[in-house]
This record gives sequence, structure tokens and C-alpha cells, in this order.
Amino acid sequence: QSALTQPASVSRSPGQSITISCSGTSSDVGGYNYVSWYQQHPGKAPKLMIYDVSDRPSGVSHRFSGSKSGNTASLTISGLQAEDEADYYCSSYTSSSTHVVFGGGTKLTVL
Amino acid sequence: QLQLQESGPGLVKPSETLSLTCTVSGDSISRSSYYWGWIRQPPGKGLDWIGSLYYSGSTYYNPSLKSRVTISADTSKNQLSLKLNSVTAADTAVYYCARIKRAAAGLWGQGTLVTVSS
Repeated sequence: QSALTQPASVSRSPGQSITISCSGTSSDVGGYNYVSWYQQHPGKAPKLMIYDVSDRPSGVSHRFSGSKSGNTASLTISGLQAEDEADYYCSSYTSSSTHVVFGGGTKLTVL
Repeated sequence: QLQLQESGPGLVKPSETLSLTCTVSGDSISRSSYYWGWIRQPPGKGLDWIGSLYYSGSTYYNPSLKSRVTISADTSKNQLSLKLNSVTAADTAVYYCARIKRAAAGLWGQGTLVTVSS
């Protein structure tokens, strides 16, 4: 069982928006602004899409945005495109000795 | 160009030790501000944090693996290493190394599949 909780799957039509949640505790998501989101296409390494809750690395589309409220972080993708179909993982710094914890991942289907 | 490349045996026998190396090019693993870590992904499953190492030598491990795992660095070769002993079929996974800052893995290797089987 993953430390952070994400929905297993979500689906939307092209052009729509989607928000994926990531629930943790005050020891991780709620306690620090070090939440990250990754996109992973089949057979590929994960790609960092969001860091520090809401910052985008250079080259990542502005359609991707992040936020946090309490112990829950969210990734929003606007104007969905077929290429956004992928698995998405959240992660967070944790005050435990682990350093980092991951969510179980969310499979996004763009219908 | 900054790159991470994992290498090591693709097949390990049960009860033996899995050993992987991550060669870093374009950056120094001795540079401050970054952690260097290992993450794995069993076939068809999600990402699993293994552990990380800071340039000072401090290490952090997933409690579920802590008794079996060692992460270390060879600064002369600019390499990160992973050793996981007493492996079982449950350790079969793609193993990734990554460069980490503020708990975000901004750069990943391509990953290497390790199968545990006799």
C-alpha cells in the first residue's frame, strides 16, 4: 500500500480538464511544500511535470498546474490532448526516515 | 549533456545480491544541493522509493527495504551504486536512478530491468 493515495484511474474527453488528487498526512503532503508530479508513458521513464507543489520545469506545458490544500495535493490538466494519456504519480517529502514517498499512480485515459 | 545511465546484471538468482551502478555524466555527484536516489517499478505496478544519498554521505532508505539495501557513491568514478541482498521474485522490477532536489526527481536514467529467477 502506497503512502500517498491517488485514484486508480480517471478518464475525460479531449479538450476537457481533469484534476487528480493525492492525499497524504501532515507528515508529508500537508507539512511541506515539496509535492511533485510525474507523467509516465508506457515503457518510458517518469518525467517531472510539477515540483514544489505548483512549479513547472522548463519545457512543461502551461496546461499542467499543481496546488495543495491541507493534506491533499492536486494536479490539473487543462485542454486534454491525446498525448496526455499516461500514468501520473505524485510524491512528497516526508519527515520519516524515508525522505520521499510516492502515490500509487493514476491512469489517465483521454477518450 | 547531463545523463544518468544504470547498468548491471539483468538476471539475479533468489537469495543473492542485486548490484546496480548509475553512471552520472555532465554533473558531479559530489555537488551540494542534490540528492541521488534509486526508485524501482515492478512490472505493471507503481513507483517504489528505494532510497537516496546526499553528497555528504547521508543516506535515507525505504523502511520496508532498509535491512537489505545499501546505497553508496564512488566520487572518483562519479557513480552511484545500489546493493539489495537476499532478493526474491518480489524484487523483480525496472530500477531507475535519479537526481533529486527538494524531493523532486528532475532527471532520471532510462531504467534497467532486473529479473529475480533461478
